[in-house]
Amino acid sequence: NAGVTQTPKFQVLKTGQSMTLQCAQDMNHEYMSWYRQDPGMGLRLIHYSVGAGITDQGEVPNGYNVSRSTTEDFPLRLLSAAPSQTSVYFCASSQNTEAFFGQGTRLTVV
Amino acid sequence: GQQLNQSPQSMFIQEGEDVSMNCTSSSIFNTWLWYKQDPGEGPVLLIALYKAGELTSNGRLTAQFGITRKDSFLNISASIPSDVGIYFCAGPPGANSKLTFGKGITLSVRP
Repeated sequence: NAGVTQTPKFQVLKTGQSMTLQCAQDMNHEYMSWYRQDPGMGLRLIHYSVGAGITDQGEVPNGYNVSRSTTEDFPLRLLSAAPSQTSVYFCASSQNTEAFFGQGTRLTVV
Repeated sequence: GQQLNQSPQSMFIQEGEDVSMNCTSSSIFNTWLWYKQDPGEGPVLLIALYKAGELTSNGRLTAQFGITRKDSFLNISASIPSDVGIYFCAGPPGANSKLTFGKGITLSVRP
């Protein structure tokens, strides 16, 4: 029972570098989403997808891209990392309302 | 966007005490979810509420869906050290699955 799997768990990037945070789920959920968590800010939605081939922006989408070529995978791409993107990133999936979260990726941009 | 309000930001209680948290919104929600996040982990769903007035328990946890559909409450009875963590309320405003989260309440339990 893997659930939602995120990789890597930790990452340090230099300003301007690009990288992809991976997210995979094995529950056949249609809905997947990415959040970032910052102290005192709660969980803020970056991008989400209601099914393969469909993505949309959340509350804080700038500087991030997503794609959904399969039901299982929903990678998050940072195009040119900035220190403001230092955060903990969570991927979640759901079929109805209840979302299941991965363990998070702690990203530091220096 | 829709706002879910949780306060205070932090709560400190003694082991064995009961604690109550609430979550309010200016808009109606059709579902209320309560999550707990342990340090270094992702949020885990504790209780889901789907009907106004609903009262649901999960062990020492009890949550209620407010009659006005604009609030929800989570109670933890006889707290223990492993109750430490961040408690989030969440819900989908409207018919879609896009969840809105409160900013969370960090609970500390003194032994």
